[in-house]
Amino acid sequence: DGGITQSPKYLFRKEGQNVTLSCEQNLNHDAMYWYRQDPGQGLRLIYYSQIVNDFQKGDIAEGYSVSREKKESFPLTVTSAQKNPTAFYLCASRGRTEETQYFGPGTRLLVL
Amino acid sequence: GQQLNQSPQSMFIQEGEDVSMNCTSSSIFNTWLWYKQDPGEGPVLLIALYKAGELTSNGRLTAQFGITRKDSFLNISASIPSDVGIYFCAGQNLHNSGGSNYKLTFGKGTLLTVNP
Repeated sequence: DGGITQSPKYLFRKEGQNVTLSCEQNLNHDAMYWYRQDPGQGLRLIYYSQIVNDFQKGDIAEGYSVSREKKESFPLTVTSAQKNPTAFYLCASRGRTEETQYFGPGTRLLVL
Repeated sequence: GQQLNQSPQSMFIQEGEDVSMNCTSSSIFNTWLWYKQDPGEGPVLLIALYKAGELTSNGRLTAQFGITRKDSFLNISASIPSDVGIYFCAGQNLHNSGGSNYKLTFGKGTLLTVNP
């Protein structure tokens, strides 16, 4: 089946540790996005990539890093510099000729 | 930056009732999108609007792109229990400059509860 997968579904991290969230898509989409969602809030853009080996900061990039070495993969690292990392993280992708983004199932990160 | 005001924040309705929610923006968008999110899942696209004044339906859902390009509404008719979830509006502008294409600005969502 074609789609966007995020793993794991739930992730626990000790304070001060870096953690990497996975996002994979087999839709042959060029663009990929990472969002953060907090309770009662809309989605806020962390990073996005419109093409392999290129990515741009979104509205809340501080404390996060990404890479785009392959078209189908866009991992997000939550670093120890992110002061409030507990949130629901959503990955999305978009085809070159499409104007809409399609979302993965999300990863809930909990810092202990 | 652009901000979206989505209302109401939450709604409690009886099964069979119609529902209406809307979004307004401080600036114009050239695309409006409506998503639904079930608990613990990613948002799913419901309707996309690409032209000012456009009225689009998808089953029991109807959405309109406001003439001013600063607002949009979503109606759900004859609600059913599976309509429960959070509904998000999102605005998008297509820019010619590199790096800002297709960025979405989201409203804070409307939480819909349907009582059977």
